[in-house]
Amino acid sequence: DTGVSQDPRHKITKRGQNVTFRCDPISEHNRLYWYRQTLGQGPEFLTYFQNEAQLEKSRLLSDRFSAERPKGSFSTLEIQRTEQGDSAMYLCASSPPPQGFRETQYFGPGTRLLVL
Amino acid sequence: GEDVEQSLFLSVREGDSSVINCTYTDSSSTYLYWYKQEPGAGLQLLTYIFSNMDMKQDQRLTVLLNKKDKHLSLRIADTQTGDSAIYFCAEPITTSGTYKYIFGTGTRLKVLA
Repeated sequence: DTGVSQDPRHKITKRGQNVTFRCDPISEHNRLYWYRQTLGQGPEFLTYFQNEAQLEKSRLLSDRFSAERPKGSFSTLEIQRTEQGDSAMYLCASSPPPQGFRETQYFGPGTRLLVL
Repeated sequence: GEDVEQSLFLSVREGDSSVINCTYTDSSSTYLYWYKQEPGAGLQLLTYIFSNMDMKQDQRLTVLLNKKDKHLSLRIADTQTGDSAIYFCAEPITTSGTYKYIFGTGTRLKVLA
């Protein structure tokens, strides 16, 4: 399977704990995105990497959230001092360099986080 | 502002056609996308349309684009029970080289046998 993979698929944690999620993009894709999806909503953009550089962060990404992509391959998303409002599906997507104006994002299966 | 709107629910009988509608905001979007999400899963790319096209057909899927009204629709012919899922339209907003997707709230399609 050469699609986007995410680990873990599910995470249950207690409020105040730190959690870290991993995303492995499709190997030749230099662009990587994190989105958050809450129940009944569409995904919302969190942050974007081009290679190892984090080029954009949403205002949704509070100081408790940090994302890295140290070697321009896999990425991690860490949430510190989790709150119940952080409960959501965290989706990772990757894309190759744009072809003309077309930049198609391929999504992983997501990590579902539940904060008790 | 950035807001993509979709109706929340659609119910059809197996074998009928389904039409899922979407209204987007950015007239400069060059491509528009449809994704499918099954329960507990990530998003699966279904199809996309270039903004200079009015229609694109891909097997059972037909995408119609009305740029003047910023209206996008997805028609699924001969709808099957396996088509039951949530369908999202997505509009890329480009800022400084970032293609940030703005998603609608999703339309939950239920196919009745």
